[in-house]
Amino acid sequence: QKEVEQDPGPLSVPEGAIVSLNCTYSNSAFQYFMWYRQYSRKGPELLMYTYSSGNKEDGRFTAQVDKSSKYISLFIRDSQPSDSATYLCAMSGGDYKLSFGAGTTVTVRA
Amino acid sequence: DSGVTQTPKHLITATGQRVTLRCSPRSGDLSVYWYQQSLDQGLQFLIQYYNGEERAKGNILERFSAQQFPDLHSELNLSSLELGDSALYFCASSAGTSGGVADTQYFGPGTRLTVL
Repeated sequence: QKEVEQDPGPLSVPEGAIVSLNCTYSNSAFQYFMWYRQYSRKGPELLMYTYSSGNKEDGRFTAQVDKSSKYISLFIRDSQPSDSATYLCAMSGGDYKLSFGAGTTVTVRA
Repeated sequence: DSGVTQTPKHLITATGQRVTLRCSPRSGDLSVYWYQQSLDQGLQFLIQYYNGEERAKGNILERFSAQQFPDLHSELNLSSLELGDSALYFCASSAGTSGGVADTQYFGPGTRLTVL
């Protein structure tokens, strides 16, 4: 079993819909949780960063962490075609090693 | 543009060969990370250097090695290449001042390695 599980999708939604992405993990030592966005043929870029449990909002993006369930989520409101990308969750226990999910490919249809 | 540069963009080589991938971090960043991204394994952390010293090691094969030079650029050396080494190799950099994971990692555009 992988340390971080993420459904690779693909996920296709109409423009304006809410995109819901999630990851589960098995390592209870993870404290730092991130979401990266990766466009085709580009490197990942950091979208959201959360420490421990709770919610964080940044514009149309909301990240949630539930450490008791070992479950993290990313919500994208009012999705746009420019949001079409692969979204990767990543997490770490405080050392320098990031463990990534497989990535979910999202397409927002105009 | 993240400010991290990687060369070359594409590399095609044969099994058994050796290649060197190069990374220049963002100006002022002290930490450099190397990742391998393949379809079946996803994005895997290989190794991290901080100001010239190895700081953390992930799933890096013994055939692979890296170093960070005094000017902070880094090289990843891959030897005795196998078909399964075909992947995207990313370099990322971070400031490194707060000690690792709390630093935002900025990724370069990657080097696509094809082993024939």
